[in-house]
Amino acid sequence: DAGVIQSPRHEVTEMGQEVTLRCKPISGHDYLFWYRQTMMRGLELLIYFNNNVPIDDSGMPEDRFSAKMPNASFSTLKIQPSEPRDSAVYFCASSFGGARGEQFFGPGTRLTVL
Amino acid sequence: GENVEQHPSTLSVQEGDSAVIKCTYSDSASNYFPWYKQELGKRPQLIIDIRSNVGEKKDQRIAVTLNKTAKHFSLHITETQPEDSAVYFCAASSGSQGNLIFGKGTKLSVKP
Repeated sequence: DAGVIQSPRHEVTEMGQEVTLRCKPISGHDYLFWYRQTMMRGLELLIYFNNNVPIDDSGMPEDRFSAKMPNASFSTLKIQPSEPRDSAVYFCASSFGGARGEQFFGPGTRLTVL
Repeated sequence: GENVEQHPSTLSVQEGDSAVIKCTYSDSASNYFPWYKQELGKRPQLIIDIRSNVGEKKDQRIAVTLNKTAKHFSLHITETQPEDSAVYFCAASSGSQGNLIFGKGTKLSVKP
């Protein structure tokens, strides 16, 4: 397996634009997690899915952020409209069995909002 | 909910010395405690984990200890090498939930 795949790896956009981050989890994994990492706030869990169903989105900063998982092999995190404070590295991770098993992280998407 | 505290936030050691990073957790239902290493510009990767039915686990130069009564667990790295320099995160399972709660991280610097 190629591991967790994320695209794009880097995204530079202007304030107010819509940003869509994509993730393909490891085949067979039933949990998918979206994290945001900044120097100030560390690694924050934004939302996670179990069998494509959102379980906890309490970490999503505000209504500008939304996430979907239309099938077991694809998820998106959308920011609309983007703001400079959204600049961060966004990681997607997947696991089998949730908190009982190892989470495998993707390479991350470095987002810069100008 | 679960809360994980990690100390210290930065740690500098000489090559060959030992390094210890400590974490505490709040939810007595937590039963899985992984440690992740993140090198600069890379993704976090699991280096060792421990479950609540075990008190200690070793893997070469790395060991983790768990004290369920006190609700704390520690990462021990012996004979540190420059390539051990990274940010280390502890985490705990959130009881009945499916996610992990991560500590804020420890930046370890190993000086040659």
